[in-house]
Amino acid sequence: DTGVSQDPRHKITKRGQNVTFRCDPISEHNRLYWYRQTLGQGPEFLTYFQNEAQLEKSRLLSDRFSAERPKGSFSTLEIQRTEQGDSAMYLCASSPNSRGGYTFGSGTRLTVV
Amino acid sequence: AQSVTQLGSHVSVSEGALVLLRCNYSSSVPPYLFWYVQYPNQGLQLLLKYTTGATLVKGINGFEAEFKKSETSFHLTKPSAHMSDAAEYFCAVSEVDRDDKIIFGKGTRLHILP
Repeated sequence: DTGVSQDPRHKITKRGQNVTFRCDPISEHNRLYWYRQTLGQGPEFLTYFQNEAQLEKSRLLSDRFSAERPKGSFSTLEIQRTEQGDSAMYLCASSPNSRGGYTFGSGTRLTVV
Repeated sequence: AQSVTQLGSHVSVSEGALVLLRCNYSSSVPPYLFWYVQYPNQGLQLLLKYTTGATLVKGINGFEAEFKKSETSFHLTKPSAHMSDAAEYFCAVSEVDRDDKIIFGKGTRLHILP
């Protein structure tokens, strides 16, 4: 098992374009989380899945953001009509439950120009 | 709702000196508490966690933390700092009974002086 994988590592996009990120969790973990981290801040919760069900969405997740986890395996996070304020590191994590701590991926750094 | 306050956004210690990173939490139910470390351009790595039982928790790389309910604190310590400890450290909390997501503090950047 190679841990949590995120793709791409870096993404530069023009304002107004759509972007999609992918996260592959540890295979036996049924919970998957998305966080956003801006410079000098801690990770901020965006959303999480238990298997294929999206259980909670933060109010940070505007209607331009959508996340899916088909079949309870990998997950995608899509941002439509990107804005400069979307520039951040997007972190994915997985866990068998919320009590053991998460395993994080290396993140996808998004830069909107 | 739970929250975490990390005192000091930057801490500098000399190599070989004691490391102390402070964390206070707020939670309406018994918390689970975590410390994570983040190296530049990388994800977060779990250092240690408190769930139940012994209040002094030992983690990786010689770090430990003590859960003090009366002080609502979970400070991170290491007896002797190494240059390789330079990184960003995040304290985090989740609420046991709610089986909820983890909420992170804003982080403390640890600088090690030669």
